[in-house]
Amino acid sequence: DADVTQTPRNRITKTGKRIMLECSQTKGHDRMYWYRQDPGLGLRLIYYSFDVKDINKGEISDGYSVSRQAQAKFSLSLESAIPNQTALYFCATSDSTSYEQYFGPGTRLTVT
Amino acid sequence: GQNIDQPTEMTATEGAIVQINCTYQTSGFNGLFWYQQHAGEAPTFLSYNVLDGLEEKGRFSSFLSRSKGYSYLLLKELQMKDSASYLCAVRDYPHDYKLSFGAGTTVTVRA
Repeated sequence: DADVTQTPRNRITKTGKRIMLECSQTKGHDRMYWYRQDPGLGLRLIYYSFDVKDINKGEISDGYSVSRQAQAKFSLSLESAIPNQTALYFCATSDSTSYEQYFGPGTRLTVT
Repeated sequence: GQNIDQPTEMTATEGAIVQINCTYQTSGFNGLFWYQQHAGEAPTFLSYNVLDGLEEKGRFSSFLSRSKGYSYLLLKELQMKDSASYLCAVRDYPHDYKLSFGAGTTVTVRA
């Protein structure tokens, strides 16, 4: 079984709709991250969380919100989706003692 | 801020060697990663360099020069399965949880 899972894997939604992307991990890591990836651009950090009560904005947090429901679960919400939020979204995890981030399989989101 | 540059695309023949360069200008530095990403899939860890020099791992090697703000990933004995995007990422200092990614280099291996 995958250590970091994301649901859904693909989603098409309309402008103005609210949508939630979910991430779960079984690695026991305390840190979790949400990134988006666009063609020609590097992965960009949206939000990150060091534990359930510690959530922080990344470089492109406008239009997004997150919830850390448990150590293993970190959700990303788009309150009112817009077409320029069409992208590939990745969740990642790490722990405070190592340098590597482990990525989930990604969610391809299309906003029409 | 962070500025990370790598070539957009490279093409090579099966069995050959390819070198992917990455240059960076960053306000803080605490190491450099290389990740491999097949189309539509998650990035997977290849290497991490924090000190100057060459790190070798099988067919893949990674080099770092901190004074020059330069790294490269060397792929030897190329195989078709090596066709993928290769991402260079710099780890921030002192905020070591922050990774800044380059746009990626798409490598196409031809028979």
